[in-house]
Amino acid sequence: GQNIDQPTEMTATEGAIVQINCTYQTSGFNGLFWYQQHAGEAPTFLSYNVLDGLEEKGRFSSFLSRSKGYSYLLLKELQMKDSASYLCAPMDSNYQLIWGAGTKLIIKP
Amino acid sequence: GAVVSQHPSWVICKSGTSVKIECRSLDFQATTMFWYRQFPKQSLMLMATSNEGSKATYEQGVEKDKFLINHASLTLSTLTVTSAHPEDSSFYICTGREGGEYNEQFFGPGTRLTVL
Repeated sequence: GQNIDQPTEMTATEGAIVQINCTYQTSGFNGLFWYQQHAGEAPTFLSYNVLDGLEEKGRFSSFLSRSKGYSYLLLKELQMKDSASYLCAPMDSNYQLIWGAGTKLIIKP
Repeated sequence: GAVVSQHPSWVICKSGTSVKIECRSLDFQATTMFWYRQFPKQSLMLMATSNEGSKATYEQGVEKDKFLINHASLTLSTLTVTSAHPEDSSFYICTGREGGEYNEQFFGPGTRLTVL
């Protein structure tokens, strides 16, 4: 079957760095997306990785290891507005996004 | 990035009535649109995929006669929840994609449906 494994919840301090890990198993693989979802809102796109390695985009970076079925999202200089759920969504061989329940990130002052 | 709108943002209806949700791509042509449903604290669940001018492809367990999807143009798709019941209360989100499967899906803001 296909599944996504992320921590349910994480807590971090404003200004700090946090890494959200994701392991996945899919039927085929066509890249992996990270989305941010604030409560009551639709997800917004953060990053897309299809090759191994680190993609940096401002305060957010995303890493992929296809052989390990592993990705992480790194958030630096955390701000209160970063409190949200972070969704790891690999794309399978049918180009469908596979969704987990995401990681709820709580930022404390 | 590209913009997708949904209307209405939220709707409350009585059990047994039908509700139509519109999804529009405002600045691109969405050759494919996806409809998702999300219950509180749960993951997004793909309900159906629609290509412009074709019948929608429904995921297993989604009743096509209950959730009617029409993708009549490259900028508009509609989801009609027929004879809605309280268990249909959920957050419905559409996404639009232009071109090939590798292209990004752009999310609409979602529609919160409450069935009394």
